[in-house]
Amino acid sequence: DAKTTQPPSMDCAEGRAANLPCNHSTISGNEYVYWYRQIHSQGPQYIIHGLKNNETNEMASLIITEDRKSSTLILPHATLRDTAVYYCIVRVVSSGGYQKVTFGTGTKLQVIP
Amino acid sequence: NAGVTQTPKFQVLKTGQSMTLQCAQDMNHNSMYWYRQDPGMGLRLIYYSASEGTTDKGEVPNGYNVSRLNKREFSLRLESAAPSQTSVYFCASVRDRGLGELFFGEGSRLTVL
Repeated sequence: DAKTTQPPSMDCAEGRAANLPCNHSTISGNEYVYWYRQIHSQGPQYIIHGLKNNETNEMASLIITEDRKSSTLILPHATLRDTAVYYCIVRVVSSGGYQKVTFGTGTKLQVIP
Repeated sequence: NAGVTQTPKFQVLKTGQSMTLQCAQDMNHNSMYWYRQDPGMGLRLIYYSASEGTTDKGEVPNGYNVSRLNKREFSLRLESAAPSQTSVYFCASVRDRGLGELFFGEGSRLTVL
């Protein structure tokens, strides 16, 4: 699986868009980009994923660069409840069937009132 | 629909004691995982099971054993607990080797004295 790099922490004003970057310069063609978040010490929660096109759901938007070496998770109107650690991971879809999924240390997002 | 259920939620052990963390999912998922999370750190993969009857080591397998009892259940055993194994343990499952979001349990908080 490709390695990802994220800033350790970020602040965002409540009501503003939070843009969380992720670098995955060694990503290969069959790897998807996934984002999860972990609020306090709860189990991580899935947010969104994508391959090469931009994606949007009710929680967030995912922008993947054309060369796929980096991506940005966008929370359009951050609220205090979005304060969490955000993880960017890449996952291979292999014919061998194994899905070893590893997490890095993520970005701690603090939403400020 | 319970999702991923972990037991126990809290446990205190003395050094050298053994115990088993239980994990069960009711989503008919094929792949299951055990992670540990130490304070202020990200998730580290201990063991995973791509499908019933198979298990493989992750990043930090030393001191642990696992059993994929059936498709629903994946247990993690500490044979001789050490203080370094004090952590929060998360179980997760995913539908198949292909795409799909990881579903996490709420965690098991283990303290080894």
